[in-house]
Amino acid sequence: AQSVTQLGSHVSVSEGALVLLRCNYSSSVPPYLFWYVQYPNQGLQLLLKYTTGATLVKGINGFEAEFKKSETSFHLTKPSAHMSDAAEYFCAVSAYSSASKIIFGSGTRLSIRP
Amino acid sequence: DADVTQTPRNRITKTGKRIMLECSQTKGHDRMYWYRQDPGLGLRLIYYSFDVKDINKGEISDGYSVSRQAQAKFSLSLESAIPNQTALYFCATSSGGQETQYFGPGTRLLVL
Repeated sequence: AQSVTQLGSHVSVSEGALVLLRCNYSSSVPPYLFWYVQYPNQGLQLLLKYTTGATLVKGINGFEAEFKKSETSFHLTKPSAHMSDAAEYFCAVSAYSSASKIIFGSGTRLSIRP
Repeated sequence: DADVTQTPRNRITKTGKRIMLECSQTKGHDRMYWYRQDPGLGLRLIYYSFDVKDINKGEISDGYSVSRQAQAKFSLSLESAIPNQTALYFCATSSGGQETQYFGPGTRLLVL
């Protein structure tokens, strides 16, 4: 079984500052890991995903995440926050199986201070 | 045009009423999902379907039913709505269990 924990339901950073959103997962088999973003009044859209291979994954809008198996983590980072990054971010995990489903974390709301 | 559409976008109903939320997709995906989103709880899976003849319960299926009318259509019904079903409902599609899910814009439901 898989599970996801997102540390911090709300993160606030200044414009231009580093963004770090934390995600830890639990999986008994090699995981697929995802970050989704939800802008106000919209559905979720994929930011990036890790399947196999390179552990540093680059996504859209300058975001990236690093898969660290030893720490069971998949934290999301962006070097310099933009006002347009204000949104809710969801980490998700799935097992390497065609029959599996994606399990979502509870979300982290990112606010950007001018 | 959007790949995943949901109707209605907003709905207010009364306790005890039956309502249906509809989802259509043009992505050609076999798999479709219904989630509900509540503040602080993230997305919880209600039902999912791997193809037209395969319907499965998710973690919170009580009080809900679904119908997969075609590959492209997946409807969610609340047989007798209650106030704690007030939430934001999302439909999603994917081509595989571990593949990217594509979400509709959501239906905001208020049960009075």
